[in-house]
Amino acid sequence: KAGVTQTPRYLIKTRGQQVTLSCSPISGHRSVSWYQQTPGQGLQFLFEYFSETQRNKGNFPGRFSGRQFSNSRSEMNVSTLELGDSALYLCASSLGDRWLNTEAFFGQGTRLTVV
Amino acid sequence: AQSVTQLDSQVPVFEEAPVELRCNYSSSVSVYLFWYVQYPNQGLQLLLKYLSGSTLVKGINGFEAEFNKSQTSFHLRKPSVHISDTAEYFCAVSDQSFGNEKLTFGTGTRLTIIP
Repeated sequence: KAGVTQTPRYLIKTRGQQVTLSCSPISGHRSVSWYQQTPGQGLQFLFEYFSETQRNKGNFPGRFSGRQFSNSRSEMNVSTLELGDSALYLCASSLGDRWLNTEAFFGQGTRLTVV
Repeated sequence: AQSVTQLDSQVPVFEEAPVELRCNYSSSVSVYLFWYVQYPNQGLQLLLKYLSGSTLVKGINGFEAEFNKSQTSFHLRKPSVHISDTAEYFCAVSDQSFGNEKLTFGTGTRLTIIP
């Protein structure tokens, strides 16, 4: 079955702009999580969506937001981009039911560069 | 809240030699434990996971890990490494509460295999 698909793979934006990243989870998965990966901070959890609702949230400013659609696809938006937002943004999908002993499957990420 | 410590940021190992990558965690609640691998310009791939049961967990590519609750450790081992094992390895935890898909990652260990 198809894996987690993130688009675009690479993105260059100017400081102050906004950006939208997309994630299509594995078919049947209802949970989508987003992570930011940087050399300095490592992998940090942004938020998780389950059945179109934000279920968990990390410690990021309000400039970072997301949403999930009825088909479980998710988008992440960053407004008023700063140089420090340059990172690899990873999306992970899972069934979302911990009792099924599910695991998270990651996409290849979107490399965002802010100039 | 949980935290993960990967004690070695870089580990060089000769090809066909054994390797151990160390991971310690801190948590006030019961956790699930994971090891992920990341190849250059790729997302994360699950190597193995500990959810419950036997404390010795076997994963893909010949890796295994042992959960030690008293020492709060989850070290990753491989008896004989190959060039293809060159990658970054991340230890991660999540708490066992229903609806919490958040993974907390360590800072990663870069494994370099020397021919």
